[in-house]
Amino acid sequence: AQRVTQPEKLLSVFKGAPVELKCNYSYSGSPELFWYVQYSRQRLQLLLRHISRESIKGFTADLNKGETSFHLKKPFAQEEDSAMYYCALSPYNNAGNMLTFGGGTRLMVKP
Amino acid sequence: EAQVTQNPRYLITVTGKKLTVTCSQNMNHEYMSWYRQDPGLGLRQIYYSMNVEVTDKGDVPEGYKVSRKEKRNFPLILESPSPNQTSLYFCASSSPDRHGYTFGSGTRLTVV
Repeated sequence: AQRVTQPEKLLSVFKGAPVELKCNYSYSGSPELFWYVQYSRQRLQLLLRHISRESIKGFTADLNKGETSFHLKKPFAQEEDSAMYYCALSPYNNAGNMLTFGGGTRLMVKP
Repeated sequence: EAQVTQNPRYLITVTGKKLTVTCSQNMNHEYMSWYRQDPGLGLRQIYYSMNVEVTDKGDVPEGYKVSRKEKRNFPLILESPSPNQTSLYFCASSSPDRHGYTFGSGTRLTVV
């Protein structure tokens, strides 16, 4: 069975500070990892996926298979980054259908 | 505009009164899924569908039914709602190329 753990329910930082939202997973096969973001009163949106290796809104995430982690990072947080962030995992051969989410981390960026 | 549309956005109902939450997508996606979001528990998958007439249980299917008669629609049915089904529900769709799910705006359901 796959599991995704986000150890921090709340992360509060000041504007301009670096941000790291932690995500650890357990899965015996090859996973595909995603980060989703949910701004206040809005739907979940895909932020980035590890396969594309892209940077979105200044965020990056690297899959570390040795540590089974997929932490989300941004060097300088902005107030508009305040949102709920979910890490999610899908078995690589399952085409994203069995998407398992972590419990989420609420990021608050203070002015 | 490519989107997943859920209705209604808000619903308050009484225990035992059957209800249906509709979900429709216009992206010709094969995969569709229902999640519920609860504080401290994140999102948990209720049911998913890999194509028309193909549905399967997710992690928390008890008390829910779904159907997939057409590719674009994936309604969630609560035959006899109970207060523990009070939650925020999201429908999502995806294509097999694993570009990630597109989510609907959510339906906030309260069962009293």
